[in-house]
Amino acid sequence: SYVLTQPPSVSVAPGQTARITCGGNNIGSKSVHWYQQKPGQAPVLVVYDDSDRPSGIPERFSGSNSGNTATLTISRVEAGDEADYYCQVWDSSSDGVFGGGTKLTVL
Amino acid sequence: QLVESGGGLVQPGGSLRLSCAASGFTVSSNYMNWVRQAPGKGLEWVSVIYSGGSKYYADSVKGRFTISRDNSKNTLYLQMNSLRAEDAAVYYCARDPRGNSFFDCWGQGTLVTVSS
Repeated sequence: SYVLTQPPSVSVAPGQTARITCGGNNIGSKSVHWYQQKPGQAPVLVVYDDSDRPSGIPERFSGSNSGNTATLTISRVEAGDEADYYCQVWDSSSDGVFGGGTKLTVL
Repeated sequence: QLVESGGGLVQPGGSLRLSCAASGFTVSSNYMNWVRQAPGKGLEWVSVIYSGGSKYYADSVKGRFTISRDNSKNTLYLQMNSLRAEDAAVYYCARDPRGNSFFDCWGQGTLVTVSS
């Protein structure tokens, strides 16, 4: 089965840029979607199809995908961005796959 | 909007049926999924039912869980049999509007506890 690898944690100071990676074999050939989850809440879609943003998501959230790595970039990080972030794709067997998640800490 | 119900405490080997009532859109026109999250753990995809009726399951639940929908009630279900301790989790239903794509609408989740 397809495996997505994320760093367990990323720390960044307010106002700086956070980059959260999602590694997978030739992930650049897949569409990658990103979710934000705050404690006690359901996940929220923040980036879909590698780099598109749903309505209501700030432009500070962006994504890219190439080769074996997809990246979620959060510019001008705010305290309210502190959350767990998950990448997601579909494998060739029509099974959904999530990365293990990355805890973003705003210092 | 999606609203799950049906969670609770069940003994190992027992059964439970989760429901997910949708409003504002038609369940049968979308690709509806169940995603779970064990306490303190990450998200795990469980199952999907396509708008055309095809169903897929994660290997961890194949043969034990069954996804279905009632179009007249605009509701998604997950029948869970032969429950194990490792099935304990918050179960979310989620909408995929396009098929094999993203989850743009999630329920609030329902907690399943498996314990004797």
